[in-house]
Amino acid sequence: AQSVTQLDSHVSVSEGTPVLLRCNYSSSYSPSLFWYVQHPNKGLQLLLKYTSAATLVKGINGFEAEFKKSETSFHLTKPSAHMSDAAEYFCVVSSGGFQKLVFGTGTRLLVSP
Amino acid sequence: NAGVTQTPKFQVLKTGQSMTLQCAQDMNHNSMYWYRQDPGMGLRLIYYSASEGTTDKGEVPNGYNVSRLNKREFSLRLESAAPSQTSVYFCASTPGTGRQETQYFGPGTRLLVL
Repeated sequence: AQSVTQLDSHVSVSEGTPVLLRCNYSSSYSPSLFWYVQHPNKGLQLLLKYTSAATLVKGINGFEAEFKKSETSFHLTKPSAHMSDAAEYFCVVSSGGFQKLVFGTGTRLLVSP
Repeated sequence: NAGVTQTPKFQVLKTGQSMTLQCAQDMNHNSMYWYRQDPGMGLRLIYYSASEGTTDKGEVPNGYNVSRLNKREFSLRLESAAPSQTSVYFCASTPGTGRQETQYFGPGTRLLVL
């Protein structure tokens, strides 16, 4: 069985400060891990994904995530938040032989001026 | 290239009414998915279609039916709507079924069942 836990339902930062969104996963197999972003009233868009090629993954808009097998974590970071980063972020795991995703419950990122 | 499109954007139903949510993709993808999104629960898979002509149940299929009309279109039907089906519904597609593939999402349909 596979599962994802997003440790914070809300994260508030000031513009220009670092962002950290935390995600822990559980998987019986070597997982693929994703971060998707959802802006208000929009569909989800891929930020980045880990597919075992490299443990540090770079995504769009300056985001990156590090896969740590020993800690079963895949935390999302960005050095400097921008107002446009305000959105909901989902950590997602896919394992086994088929594209069936398990979504975390989401973290809402609030960015203040 | 519109990607994944969904109609309608918003719908209000009375309990017991039926409706069909439409989804189409123009990326020549083989696989398509229907999810529902409820507050605090992330997205949950309702049904999926690995390829044209096949459909399978996901995590929460009760109360829904699907049709993979052709390679482009995948519809979701509520035969007798219930208030518990009030949700935001997302359609998605992938080129194939590999677990590393990126899912491409539509903009969603907001459904309110009174």
